[in-house]
Amino acid sequence: NAGVTQTPKFQVLKTGQSMTLQCAQDMNHNSMYWYRQDPGMGLRLIYYSASEGTTDKGEVPNGYNVSRLNKREFSLRLESAAPSQTSVYFCASRAEGARTEAFFGQGTRLTVV
Amino acid sequence: GNSVTQMEGPVTLSEEAFLTINCTYTATGYPSLFWYVQYPGEGLQLLLKATKADDKGSNKGFEATYRKETTSFHLEKGSVQVSDSAVYFCALLEGGFKTIFGAGTRLFVKA
Repeated sequence: NAGVTQTPKFQVLKTGQSMTLQCAQDMNHNSMYWYRQDPGMGLRLIYYSASEGTTDKGEVPNGYNVSRLNKREFSLRLESAAPSQTSVYFCASRAEGARTEAFFGQGTRLTVV
Repeated sequence: GNSVTQMEGPVTLSEEAFLTINCTYTATGYPSLFWYVQYPGEGLQLLLKATKADDKGSNKGFEATYRKETTSFHLEKGSVQVSDSAVYFCALLEGGFKTIFGAGTRLFVKA
């Protein structure tokens, strides 16, 4: 039972480089999310996708783009990384409904130098 | 907009002590409420939830009751263990789509 799988687990980038964080879920969930976690700030929503083919901005979308490739996969792209994007990134998925919980991946620790 | 406020940590307790982590929320309507736990190096996982007023969620000895009068969802455990050391997040589900998280409370339990 894989659940939500994120790759890579760790990454170091130089300022200005680009990269894509991958996320896949095998629970047939409609909704998928990308969060960043910074010390003392909890989790902040970057982008979400309520269903295949739709994406919406969350609280902190600047500097990021996303693609909902299919129902299983939801990727997050940093086009030109900045030190302020140093963080731990979590992907999550959730079944449809007003009472369902989110399932999280293990996270990607990204450092931009 | 909707928000979740939880007590700042870290909270340090001795084994077998009583735990309370306070959580209050601001929301329109009656959203579902959750407590998630994050162990070191891992993602968040659901600890318990309550989906309507006066519901009590419980799991692994932890409990929380959905109180609409005080807009609170405080987490409690009667006797903590070293293995409970983790970060705890209170959260609400907004509009059936977005989960709003509190800042998290780190718990240390000493043997």
